[in-house]
Amino acid sequence: GGIITQTPKFLIGQEGQKLTLKCQQNFNHDTMYWYRQDSGKGLRLIYYSITENDLQKGDLSEGYDASREKKSSFSLTVTSAQKNEMAVFLCASSSGDTQYFGPGTRLLVL
Amino acid sequence: GQQVQQSPASLVLQEGENAELQCNFSTSLNSMQWFYQRPGGSLVSLFYNPSGTKQSGRLTSTTVIKERRSSLHISSSQTTDSGTYLCAWRGSALGRLHFGAGTQLIVIP
Repeated sequence: GGIITQTPKFLIGQEGQKLTLKCQQNFNHDTMYWYRQDSGKGLRLIYYSITENDLQKGDLSEGYDASREKKSSFSLTVTSAQKNEMAVFLCASSSGDTQYFGPGTRLLVL
Repeated sequence: GQQVQQSPASLVLQEGENAELQCNFSTSLNSMQWFYQRPGGSLVSLFYNPSGTKQSGRLTSTTVIKERRSSLHISSSQTTDSGTYLCAWRGSALGRLHFGAGTQLIVIP
């Protein structure tokens, strides 16, 4: 088995601030994903990466940057936090058909 | 437009009752997956079910590709079944997952 860890668990930021979320997996999976989940809504794909140093834009990439410097880690940066923004950011990895998810980072922007 | 419709959006059951959750797709699908999310928790894969019927304990998933639909049946619901159930699908073998909005299930004792 393996595990996906996300840090931090909770993130409180200020409007306009640049915020970075980190994700680590020890499954040795090739593909990693970042999703955003708003209350009462499904997951929307922000960025994904099929291998180290690869980046692919999802449906919601505007306002975000991502980095895949190692196979095991995938980071996401909110380039300029929006006031009153509140969402959960979920990281996932896969090797084949099934995706495995991390516990999430809960973001609140004051 | 929205490519997957999950229904119902929310459901309240008395413990012991059965539940039927649906996903209907407006486009052809290659495979689909059901996930469970506990309140405030992460997603856990319940079924990878590209076609046919799969069962795991009290849960049964049925996917009919040509009809572009999938269902999740929960029998004899328990309070611990409460949470959000999400379906996700792929349009092609190497395509990425697209998620429905989810069904929020509350099971009361």
